[in-house]
Amino acid sequence: DAGVTQSPTHLIKTRGQHVTLRCSPISGHKSVSWYQQVLGQGPQFIFQYYEKEERGRGNFPDRFSARQFPNYSSELNVNALLLGDSALYLCASSLGPLRQGTYEQYFGPGTRLTVT
Amino acid sequence: QQQVKQSPQSLIVQKGGISIINCAYENTAFDYFPWYQQFPGKGPALLIAIRPDVSEKKEGRFTISFNKSAKQFSLHIMDSQPGDSATYFCAASIGSSGSARQLTFGSGTQLTVLP
Repeated sequence: DAGVTQSPTHLIKTRGQHVTLRCSPISGHKSVSWYQQVLGQGPQFIFQYYEKEERGRGNFPDRFSARQFPNYSSELNVNALLLGDSALYLCASSLGPLRQGTYEQYFGPGTRLTVT
Repeated sequence: QQQVKQSPQSLIVQKGGISIINCAYENTAFDYFPWYQQFPGKGPALLIAIRPDVSEKKEGRFTISFNKSAKQFSLHIMDSQPGDSATYFCAASIGSSGSARQLTFGSGTQLTVLP
């Protein structure tokens, strides 16, 4: 079975531009979470979506937004890019927050965003 | 404060030795504690996880020890191999029905296993 897939793999953008990152969860998983991992640090939670609804949001500015589609894939959008947005953006797939015992989150390979 | 503190920052172990990484948390509401392994240029891979109702969980060469009263948990890698050289992250999460189960990560430990 395919794991979590993310696209693109790498991306270079200029300050002030907008970026869209994409994620497809593991087949059968209905929840997608987004994390930002700055070099040398642990991932930081940005959003979680389940059944196309936002279920949680981390401490990130409104420039960050996301959505989930009927097929459970997801997009992360970042507007007005800053140099500090340069990071590895990770998507994690899970069965969903409503089911007991389904705590595991499985990460994709990430999208490396460089803002110049 | 939903913080997880991880130590050491880096660890060098001889092949065949035991690698031990420690984490401490503040929030007693955390109810799930996974460990992730990350190789350069890759996403974190789930290694092993524990719930607070048990004190130890073993999977192959990897063992989590959990001390609820001390709010600490640790990862032990037995018979460490050069292929185990990676960055290891502990994490913790809270979640209730209908809400997000967000992972709070430690700062990571870079493990190097010498041949």
